[in-house]
Amino acid sequence: KAGVTQTPRYLIKTRGQQVTLSCSPISGHRSVSWYQQTPGQGLQFLFEYFSETQRNKGNFPGRFSGRQFSNSRSEMNVSTLELGDSALYLCASTPSGALTDTQYFGPGTRLTVL
Amino acid sequence: AQSVTQLDSHVSVSEGTPVLLRCNYSSSYSPSLFWYVQHPNKGLQLLLKYTSAATLVKGINGFEAEFKKSETSFHLTKPSAHMSDAAEYFCVVRMDSSYKLIFGSGTRLLVRP
Repeated sequence: KAGVTQTPRYLIKTRGQQVTLSCSPISGHRSVSWYQQTPGQGLQFLFEYFSETQRNKGNFPGRFSGRQFSNSRSEMNVSTLELGDSALYLCASTPSGALTDTQYFGPGTRLTVL
Repeated sequence: AQSVTQLDSHVSVSEGTPVLLRCNYSSSYSPSLFWYVQHPNKGLQLLLKYTSAATLVKGINGFEAEFKKSETSFHLTKPSAHMSDAAEYFCVVRMDSSYKLIFGSGTRLLVRP
């Protein structure tokens, strides 16, 4: 089975712009989670989707949003980019999102905001 | 509230010597605990997980971890380090009633030849 894929792998934007990142989960997986990784804050949970519904949300401002499509692919959007949004954004998928499920991570999208 | 503390930000060992990466957790209920590894410019790979079955959990690449409820610890060990083990390791707890993972701050493992 192919793993979790994320596109693009690298992105450079300027302050004030918006950006959309994409995540394709492992085939058959219905739950997708997003995480932000920065040197200062480490890995932080953004949100989780299951069957096109957001089930959980982390403590991020409303500029961070996401959605999930009927084929389980997910996108996250960041509007009005700030320098502090520069990070590695990781996506993870699980079959059903059950508490004992393993989350499988993609390689990440490295976002640089100038 | 759940939290996880990795006691060492950096650990340095010689190749062929044992590895010990320490992790303590805080959880109101029986937690699900994980160790992930991240190699430079790569995503996260699951090493092993504990989900209330056997307290000694064996993972990939010779790693194992022991869940000790009395000490609220979940330390990661390997009998003999290999150069390819050099990476950053994350101890992770799953929140009881939701689906998000809480990550420790990470331990960077350096393996000396």
